[in-house]
Amino acid sequence: EADIYQTPRYLVIGTGKKITLECSQTMGHDKMYWYQQDPGMELHLIHYSYGVNSTEKGDLSSESTVSRIRTEHFPLTLESARPSHTSQYLCASSPRRDQRAPDTQYFGPGTRLTVL
Amino acid sequence: KNQVEQSPQSLIILEGKNCTLQCNYTVSPFSNLRWYKQDTGRGPVSLTIMTFSENTKSNGRYTATLDADTKQSSLHITASQLSDSASYICVVSDRGSTLGRLYFGRGTQLTVWP
Repeated sequence: EADIYQTPRYLVIGTGKKITLECSQTMGHDKMYWYQQDPGMELHLIHYSYGVNSTEKGDLSSESTVSRIRTEHFPLTLESARPSHTSQYLCASSPRRDQRAPDTQYFGPGTRLTVL
Repeated sequence: KNQVEQSPQSLIILEGKNCTLQCNYTVSPFSNLRWYKQDTGRGPVSLTIMTFSENTKSNGRYTATLDADTKQSSLHITASQLSDSASYICVVSDRGSTLGRLYFGRGTQLTVWP
């Protein structure tokens, strides 16, 4: 079981609210990722980070923002939530180098977000 | 078009039976292929990983195969159990970036009935 945590696990909020989804890992991994997943669909990368003070946008356009002030922490923020943001958000991390299993990402349990 | 296609989309089998899930990909240049298991409401967990030179890898009752020439992979589950009910996701990594970009299939939803 990977040591990567996400809170909250479930969140139901109204339109226009600001929310922050938390993600923490205790494995000392340099790389961290945020994915969005809708039912029956593939995971889409929305943000990633190579390390502290490094953040990049992923393949899927997202109105969310991220920060990486500490290695273990990679929160995702929505300034003004809309119903179109309703989805499952998965956080993942990977070590800088793992020759036995290159590019393996370890996933958190996810946050199920519903915006009314 | 998704660069990783999985079939079938869903599958129902009886407990104790075997099944095989398929994955076709077009990702290039290829680095490795993983099969992940995702339980409902949980994050994906890696089952197997295969690089270009490997054509089979086992993890308990799970056996993955890879044909890098035809760009196909399969995941065979032996003697299925109720706990095998989950989505199985094929994930391919390319060699073209330092990020180690992953390409995800949409998954096969497996249901095991008693």
